[in-house]
Amino acid sequence: GENVEQHPSTLSVQEGDSAVIKCTYSDSASNYFPWYKQELGKGPQLIIDIRSNVGEKKDQRIAVTLNKTAKHFSLHITETQPEDSAVYFCAASPPYSGTYKYIFGTGTRLKVLA
Amino acid sequence: DGGITQSPKYLFRKEGQNVTLSCEQNLNHDAMYWYRQDPGQGLRLIYYSQIVNDFQKGDIAEGYSVSREKKESFPLTVTSAQKNPTAFYLCASSMDSGGGYEQYFGPGTRLTVT
Repeated sequence: GENVEQHPSTLSVQEGDSAVIKCTYSDSASNYFPWYKQELGKGPQLIIDIRSNVGEKKDQRIAVTLNKTAKHFSLHITETQPEDSAVYFCAASPPYSGTYKYIFGTGTRLKVLA
Repeated sequence: DGGITQSPKYLFRKEGQNVTLSCEQNLNHDAMYWYRQDPGQGLRLIYYSQIVNDFQKGDIAEGYSVSREKKESFPLTVTSAQKNPTAFYLCASSMDSGGGYEQYFGPGTRLTVT
């Protein structure tokens, strides 16, 4: 089955710097890759996603890149702000028996230092 | 406001007792999911339901049970057979379970069993 590895587990950056979180997946059939942000004590919220027919997607300060050959995808946050501090999860969605399940990475705790 | 509600936010139980976690959505979504979140681990799928009166086991279904009698509701029962029930439980829903649809998460229920 699918396996998703996420690195690093923690990341500290100075306010204004960029942050990059990387995920690798094992199942080449996976075709949807969402990124979720989870603030303390809350449920995860989708911040950006990408499908396998696209190599890059941007939304203001956030971008995601996908390398299907290498089976990895990355989240890029530019001009980081204190409110970006949270846990970020990547996920891969492979089709199993007609149902698309998410396999989540183990999360990255991002701290933006003011 | 459309969304997913989970109640209660915090739940305390003694060992040997069954406990039911509530999840309600008013997004008119067909698919609903239950995840368990432990520190340092990603979200792990317990059960999911693609349609009313139908549900399937996820990766860690042992010791849990669910029902889906209404489209809006997907309660999770943590039974006394679950060996390590203390965790943060997240409910999610999506328009459909196929094709990589965004999953919307509730705020979670933190269950502590002593």
